[in-house]
Amino acid sequence: AQSVTQLDSHVSVSEGTPVLLRCNYSSSYSPSLFWYVQHPNKGLQLLLKYTSAATLVKGINGFEAEFKKSETSFHLTKPSAHMSDAAEYFCVLSLKSYGGSQGNLIFGKGTKLSVKP
Amino acid sequence: DVKVTQSSRYLVKRTGEKVFLECVQDMDHENMFWYRQDPGLGLRLIYFSYDVKMKEKGDIPEGYSVSREKKERFSLILESASTNQTSMYLCASSPYRTRTGQGYTFGSGTRLTVV
Repeated sequence: AQSVTQLDSHVSVSEGTPVLLRCNYSSSYSPSLFWYVQHPNKGLQLLLKYTSAATLVKGINGFEAEFKKSETSFHLTKPSAHMSDAAEYFCVLSLKSYGGSQGNLIFGKGTKLSVKP
Repeated sequence: DVKVTQSSRYLVKRTGEKVFLECVQDMDHENMFWYRQDPGLGLRLIYFSYDVKMKEKGDIPEGYSVSREKKERFSLILESASTNQTSMYLCASSPYRTRTGQGYTFGSGTRLTVV
């Protein structure tokens, strides 16, 4: 079965300190993984994606994530948090099954990031 | 840029009403999706469509139906709204039948309250 687990429902950091949002996945196939961000009252925006190329993926706004197959993890990091990073973040797995559901997304439950001044 | 437009930002409906949520995309995408977003549950797939007049059930289709009469428009229908359908509804589209899940664009969401 394919699934995504975000290990923290809420993370709080101070401005200027590093951010770590943790994600583990389970997949029968070689996965495609994504991080999306949702700011309050906004739609989802793609931060970055892993699709079996480089294991360290750089995204927008200084975020990056490392795919670790041995640990089945895809944690999101940023060296220095900014107030504008406060949002909800979703780790997402793409189904690589066959038939009508190919390419469909499985979402984690989300991690709310708070940034203190 | 691809745009996915959901017709209403906020809706309040009464229990038992028939509710239509509309979604339109402007980039000729084949695939369209309806998700429901609830706190602590992430996004869950209700229905999706890979072509006009084609639909497939997602993970939580009960109580919902969909309609795709034109390629650009995908409607979510609550036949008889209930309070447990109070939620944020997100529409998405993607340009091709992909195995990698790339190319999704999401609308801004419709927050539905059923009273």
